[in-house]
Amino acid sequence: DQQVKQNSPSLSVQEGRISILNCDYTNSMFDYFLWYKKYPAEGPTFLISISSIKDKNEDGRFTVFLNKSAKHLSLHIVPSQPGDSAVYFCAASRGGSQGNLIFGKGTKLSVKP
Amino acid sequence: DVKVTQSSRYLVKRTGEKVFLECVQDMDHENMFWYRQDPGLGLRLIYFSYDVKMKEKGDIPEGYSVSREKKERFSLILESASTNQTSMYLCATAGGGLLAKNIQYFGAGTRLSVL
Repeated sequence: DQQVKQNSPSLSVQEGRISILNCDYTNSMFDYFLWYKKYPAEGPTFLISISSIKDKNEDGRFTVFLNKSAKHLSLHIVPSQPGDSAVYFCAASRGGSQGNLIFGKGTKLSVKP
Repeated sequence: DVKVTQSSRYLVKRTGEKVFLECVQDMDHENMFWYRQDPGLGLRLIYFSYDVKMKEKGDIPEGYSVSREKKERFSLILESASTNQTSMYLCATAGGGLLAKNIQYFGAGTRLSVL
């Protein structure tokens, strides 16, 4: 069963507008959440993260929101730029000393000029 | 900057061959991971290691083994490659510490084709 779900395989947004990528999880024991960005033929790169004790974390154009009661997090990109076009993966930490991550299936974001 | 180097970007192998995928990191990280990425399936953990000579199975270890003889190097081994192991393989590392352990840094990936 999928413990981390990204229900939208793709998203298309106009340049300058807001992109909102969503992620749901099932395990209330997850204590840390991350977003990664991946371009074709490259490895994923870490984008932004949030601890379960917070509900918001902001880094420049990127903001992650966490709603623990709904087991939902979202990544907001404002304003969206064509260079943001990539696959975005949501990940949750299983806890423990090794920090293993469970990844969602990804959402492909296309930002149109 | 963390550097995670995977020895090959592209590999073509024949069914039944033994395949070695190598990963080297330069950040003295304790934790290293091997994933495969397939369309529509996201990243799935194959094996991980939290110390030299230590290894743990991930979610899909069948058909794979790993080796970690030195802290900086983590190898993924396909004992007898099969066509269903055609995939993008990604190595990642993470440091120790309460928060650092959660952030994994990835190599560029190896696209393996098994014919």
